[in-house]
Formats: sequence, structure tokens, C-alpha cells
Amino acid sequence: DAGITQSPRHKVTETGTPVTLRCHQTENHRYMYWYRQDPGHGLRLIHYSYGVKDTDKGEVSDGYSVSRSKTEDFLLTLESATSSQTSVYFCAIRRGPTYEQYFGPGTRLTVT
Amino acid sequence: SQQGEEDPQALSIQEGENATMNCSYKTSINNLQWYRQNSGRGLVHLILIRSNEREKHSGRLRVTLDTSKKSSSLLITASRAADTASYFCATAFPPSGNTPLVFGKGTRLSVIA
Repeated sequence: DAGITQSPRHKVTETGTPVTLRCHQTENHRYMYWYRQDPGHGLRLIHYSYGVKDTDKGEVSDGYSVSRSKTEDFLLTLESATSSQTSVYFCAIRRGPTYEQYFGPGTRLTVT
Repeated sequence: SQQGEEDPQALSIQEGENATMNCSYKTSINNLQWYRQNSGRGLVHLILIRSNEREKHSGRLRVTLDTSKKSSSLLITASRAADTASYFCATAFPPSGNTPLVFGKGTRLSVIA
């Protein structure tokens, strides 16, 4: 599992509240990713990081921000959660030069 | 964004049969990867095939790549109930630097015992 943990694993929150999801890795990998997975859309990239304080937007970044102040942690923040952000969120790391990615167990977020 | 597209969207077979899934992509690639996702779990890397390879095997998995047709196929031989999962192909373009993987929408495989 490449030492990737996500917290929380499940969360229910109300519309308009801020939410922060945490991804933690133990293997010191440079690249980390946040995806969301929804029925009919597959896996879509939200943001990614290629080093401490180095981040970039993915396909569906609107409404999300990220921070990476140390190598092992990559945080995803929903500043003001909306019902459209109800989803399963996966964190991943890239191991090695061939772009193989390893995924965390996911966080199921419900915005009511 | 460049993306792989899997075909079919869903596939149902009997245990012991072979399962074939296809992936098409749009632009040149450095490699193509296949992942499996069991229900409620994260994706698991299965196999990577480089652009200069035509075929690769790993256990009961066989992957082919046809760069002229921009397509790949994943064959699972002698399928088992435990192979029931969704299967995704993924590519990165441009194939260098910080480019993240882009995943298709997946093929949902059901293997009936």
C-alpha cells in the first residue's frame, strides 16, 4: 500500500462548511495527487504536488485548494463545501520514474 | 485533456473464461498502465507497458499495445470470481516531467462463479 493513509475515512458535513482531507505517506515520495471518483466520471485529478510548496491544478480544481508544507503530508481543502463535492476522494503517490501510482484507501465525503 | 477510454463499460463472464478489455488513447505516450479497483477500495497498479513494447505478461494478465492504432488491450485468462473489479487504463501526456496520469472511466468486470 506504499504507506499511504488518508484521514478521515468517512465524513458527513453541511453545505458551506470548510473541510480538510489529509493524505500522509511514509516513503518520502516527491509526487502526490488528489483525485475524486464519481459514478460515470471515473477518476478525475483535482490537484497535484511535485514537491514541498510546489502544487498545480488538475482537471477539476475549482472549489478546492491544497497545501504541502512537508514531504509526507498533502492536504486538500474545500473552502465552502457544496453538494456537488459529495464524492470519494483518493490520494496517490508516484513511485519511480515510470509514473506508476499507488493509491490510498479513499475518503468518502458527503455534503448535505 | 488526453485520456484513455476503456471498452466495454461493463463485462460479465463465467468463471474460467477469458476477459478482454480495450483502451484507446488520443496522443503519443511513453507508457500505458492498467489498474484494478475492487469495490470500495483504492486503485491497484497491475502492469505497465512501454511504448516500444508490443506485448507484456504478468501471471494471468496479458497486455498488448498498438501505438499505430493508439490502443491497448488487457486480457485476463482463466478468470476467477476474485477478478471481479473495475479496470482502468492510464496514460501521461506529455510523457515527461510533472505530468500526472489521466485515467479512463473504467471497465466493470463481473466474474460469475
